[in-house]
Amino acid sequence: GDSVTQMEGPVTLSEEAFLTINCTYTATGYPSLFWYVQYPGEGLQLLLKATKADDKGSNKGFEATYRKETTSFHLEKGSVQVSDSAVYFCALSGTSGAGSYQLTFGKGTKLSVIP
Amino acid sequence: SQTIHQWPATLVQPVGSPLSLECTVEGTSNPNLYWYRQAAGRGLQLLFYSVGIGQISSEVPQNLSASRPQDRQFILSSKKLLLSDSGFYLCAWSTNYGYTFGSGTRLTVV
Repeated sequence: GDSVTQMEGPVTLSEEAFLTINCTYTATGYPSLFWYVQYPGEGLQLLLKATKADDKGSNKGFEATYRKETTSFHLEKGSVQVSDSAVYFCALSGTSGAGSYQLTFGKGTKLSVIP
Repeated sequence: SQTIHQWPATLVQPVGSPLSLECTVEGTSNPNLYWYRQAAGRGLQLLFYSVGIGQISSEVPQNLSASRPQDRQFILSSKKLLLSDSGFYLCAWSTNYGYTFGSGTRLTVV
């Protein structure tokens, strides 16, 4: 079945540091890939997505590129801020059947940014 | 606009008590609806999904059940809560255009 593996946290960075959160996936077909962010006490919000190979999703300074050859979708940001502290989830959409829109999530990576 | 309402935001219930969490969506028709649970250290786990009224698929057999009495209403229930039911429950819907989550319910079973 489909699966998502993302680097385990927690990750602690100083403000303005470079961020990378690794994500790799296993799926049949050609899934869409997503990064969701969960701020403390809140639900999940879509951060960015990519629907086909070599697409780059970007939002709020975050970027991720859909790499089919390495089955990866790593999240990057050049300069993190304290307000980026949250839990980040990598996810992929199902590719077939009645659950074709259901998402499979990684376990999440908690990011803490310190001033 | 498309919105999703989920309530309550927090809930503390004793072991053995019943549970009913409700989720409604607005601004869309015939969405796929989902219940996810986020337990500490375990990420997000799909519990149930529904592709239409009265159609429920269970991903993980357990102490919970789901119902979809109306097109835009999805309910998560339990007859008798267990301690292991504690967690953060998220409702979500999806259409061809995207996937939207509710704000979640934090359930603590004591």
